[in-house]
Amino acid sequence: GAGVSQSPSNKVTEKGKDVELRCDPISGHTALYWYRQSLGQGLEFLIYFQGNSAPDKSGLPSDRFSAERTGGSVSTLTIQRTQQEDSAVYLCASSYGTPGPYEQYFGPGTRLTVT
Amino acid sequence: GQSLEQPSEVTAVEGAIVQINCTYQTSGFYGLSWYQQHDGGAPTFLSYNALDGLEETGRFSSFLSRSDSYGYLLLQELQMKDSASYFCAAQGGANNLFFGTGTRLTVIP
Repeated sequence: GAGVSQSPSNKVTEKGKDVELRCDPISGHTALYWYRQSLGQGLEFLIYFQGNSAPDKSGLPSDRFSAERTGGSVSTLTIQRTQQEDSAVYLCASSYGTPGPYEQYFGPGTRLTVT
Repeated sequence: GQSLEQPSEVTAVEGAIVQINCTYQTSGFYGLSWYQQHDGGAPTFLSYNALDGLEETGRFSSFLSRSDSYGYLLLQELQMKDSASYFCAAQGGANNLFFGTGTRLTVIP
């Protein structure tokens, strides 16, 4: 079956513009995560969706960041008024259940460059 | 708060054994995962330990000591393709998985 897909693979935007990043999780996976990875760094947790529960937004770095998950499937991460420090690879992952015992399957990521 | 410590870089010879350590501090703890990430690629799951002891999967093994807040990933019979970054990740709650900053492993001939 298909894995996690993300689009676009690369995005270059001007400072101050808004961007939308898309994630299509694996069918049947109830959990979806967004992470940010700066060059040579670890994964920074951003937001977590589990089924129809309220999302865990505790990792979002500012109110310029938001995410939604429609119909329990596709998710969109939106960054408003982008800043240069937002430049990073944004990774989406999905899993069948809670993290840890249930393997997270990662998408290829969206490389965001803010100029 | 949450923190995970692992060495930033490790170099080992092809065919050898290497151990990558991880110490963690979390307000809650369910288990420790390990992920592998090749340059330009996505992280891929290697193992998960919820209980103390050693879990073996082929050439890779993972160990956990909950009392010491410590774990390690053991890679045996190293191959050149094992050159990658390895991340430990602590499950600090039912919904939370916190990643370390990663250990870059370089395997040399």
